[in-house]
Amino acid sequence: AQSVTQLGSHVSVSEGALVLLRCNYSSSVPPYLFWYVQYPNQGLQLLLKYTTGATLVKGINGFEAEFKKSETSFHLTKPSAHMSDAAEYFCAVSGGYRDDKIIFGKGTRLHILP
Amino acid sequence: DAGITQSPRHKVTETGTPVTLRCHQTENHRYMYWYRQDPGHGLRLIHYSYGVKDTDKGEVSDGYSVSRSKTEDFLLTLESATSSQTSVYFCAIRSGGTGELYNEQFFGPGTRLTVL
Repeated sequence: AQSVTQLGSHVSVSEGALVLLRCNYSSSVPPYLFWYVQYPNQGLQLLLKYTTGATLVKGINGFEAEFKKSETSFHLTKPSAHMSDAAEYFCAVSGGYRDDKIIFGKGTRLHILP
Repeated sequence: DAGITQSPRHKVTETGTPVTLRCHQTENHRYMYWYRQDPGHGLRLIHYSYGVKDTDKGEVSDGYSVSRSKTEDFLLTLESATSSQTSVYFCAIRSGGTGELYNEQFFGPGTRLTVL
């Protein structure tokens, strides 16, 4: 079975500062990992995904995440926050290609301070 | 953007009435999913489909049923709506694939349902 824990339901950073959103997962098989973003009154949009291969994954809008198996983590980072990054972010895990389902974390709302 | 539409986008109904939400895709994707989103709970899977007439339960399936009679449509039915089913409902689709070709889920715009 898979599960995801997102540390911090709300995170605030200043514009131009580093963004770090934390995600830890649990999986009994090699996982596939995802970060999605949700802007107000919209559906979810994929930021990036890790399936196999390179553990540092680059996504859209300057975000990246690193798969660390030893730490069971998949933290999301962005070097310099923009006001437009204010949104809710969801980490998700699936049990690889054989798993039809993905499990979502409870989300972290990112606030950008001017 | 993936071709997913949900209808209606907003609905207010009364306790005890039946409600059907529709998800329609133009991508011919094999997998379709229904989630509900509630504050503090993230997204929780209600039901999903892995082909026409092939469906399975998710973690919060009680009180919900689904049907998929053709590839493009996935219906979610609340047989007798309750106030606890007030939520935002999202449909998602996925084509399949493995490894680097693994195709993630694409989400619709959501349906906001209020049960009074």
